[in-house]
Amino acid sequence: DTAVSQTPKYLVTQMGNDKSIKCEQNLGHDTMYWYKQDSKKFLKIMFSYNNKELIINETVPNRFSPKSPDKAHLNLHINSLELGDSAVYFCASSQAYTGQGAEAFFGQGTRLTVV
Amino acid sequence: GQQLNQSPQSMFIQEGEDVSMNCTSSSIFNTWLWYKQDPGEGPVLLIALYKAGELTSNGRLTAQFGITRKDSFLNISASIPSDVGIYFCAGQLSTGKLIFGQGTTLQVKP
Repeated sequence: DTAVSQTPKYLVTQMGNDKSIKCEQNLGHDTMYWYKQDSKKFLKIMFSYNNKELIINETVPNRFSPKSPDKAHLNLHINSLELGDSAVYFCASSQAYTGQGAEAFFGQGTRLTVV
Repeated sequence: GQQLNQSPQSMFIQEGEDVSMNCTSSSIFNTWLWYKQDPGEGPVLLIALYKAGELTSNGRLTAQFGITRKDSFLNISASIPSDVGIYFCAGQLSTGKLIFGQGTTLQVKP
């Protein structure tokens, strides 16, 4: 029944490793997002995809690469992990990317800890 | 870049009291959203506002889209212990980008 589900919920890894976070939504939405929430709870958008096409790409290191195999999935791959990448990463989806229907529905988050 | 100033940063109130929080910006937004986040969970949408001046309620929650399109407020009436959490405003630009406020942490004393 879960609307936006992301895995894993927790991820602890060493510096320099490469890791992926997966996200799936069963809401039939066209738009999906990745957000980063830092230790001060500040939420910032990283990427947005509409119909599998990248439409928002904030100033994010190119070690972060999103991939959308289809409208229902948006995965996030991170290369060469650094200590500063430790945060909670949220996947979200919305019916549209602007106007009514652009309200984002969030997953439960993936807490990434880089040691 | 675009910024949202959300205040207050935190509130500690007695059960039954009313709560008010607001967000202001120098940017104009097409949509205002209010979310609540519980510990260990993702933000959950409370109210969405689409037109300047719009006033919308959801149970004990009421939110308004400011006339200038640069601000919004959220009121919670007769607070209860389960209202505890972090409340975020978010404004959406015409490009679709969603900007979040810094959050208001609400604690309710029974």
